[in-house]
Amino acid sequence: AQSVTQLDSQVPVFEEAPVELRCNYSSSVSVYLFWYVQYPNQGLQLLLKYLSGSTLVKGINGFEAEFNKSQTSFHLRKPSVHISDTAEYFCAVSDHENYGQNFVFGPGTRLSVLP
Amino acid sequence: ETGVTQTPRHLVMGMTNKKSLKCEQHLGHNAMYWYKQSAKKPLELMFVYSLEERVENNSVPSRFSPECPNSSHLFLHLHTLQPEDSALYLCASSQDGLAGDTGELFFGEGSRLTVL
Repeated sequence: AQSVTQLDSQVPVFEEAPVELRCNYSSSVSVYLFWYVQYPNQGLQLLLKYLSGSTLVKGINGFEAEFNKSQTSFHLRKPSVHISDTAEYFCAVSDHENYGQNFVFGPGTRLSVLP
Repeated sequence: ETGVTQTPRHLVMGMTNKKSLKCEQHLGHNAMYWYKQSAKKPLELMFVYSLEERVENNSVPSRFSPECPNSSHLFLHLHTLQPEDSALYLCASSQDGLAGDTGELFFGEGSRLTVL
């Protein structure tokens, strides 16, 4: 079974500053990795995903994440945040078969971008 | 219509009411899901339907009853709910199994349920 840890429940950051949201996972099998964003009163939207290949993954809205197999991490980064990035961010893992049924989400990190 | 659509967006009901949440996906996917999102708790998978067959029921109380009449529609029937059932209920879909290509879940905007 997989599990996901997001160590920071809340991350406040000033506008135009860089940000890193941390995600660590555990799994006994190969996994797919995802970051989702949830804006207030909305559903979850995919930011980026790692399936295979290059360990540096670029997503929408200027976000990127790096898969580190040895550290079992998939941290999300953005070099300069905007007020509009204020949202809840969820890291998720799934395995390579029946992945929809085996999706595991982390508890989420609330990013607050301050003016 | 695009993606995954959920109705109603907001629902207030008493503990003795019977209501239903509806989800419709326009992506041609073969699997659909109900998730519960409560404040300060991780997302909870409630039900999974793959090819219209229920394949997962994560110990959800019987006052929640899912229905999947076809691969595009998913319902969650609600009856005699408790105040602690108040939450955001999210529907998702995916192209699942070995034929899948992206492995991601596509979510609707959710139905905010308040039980009085």
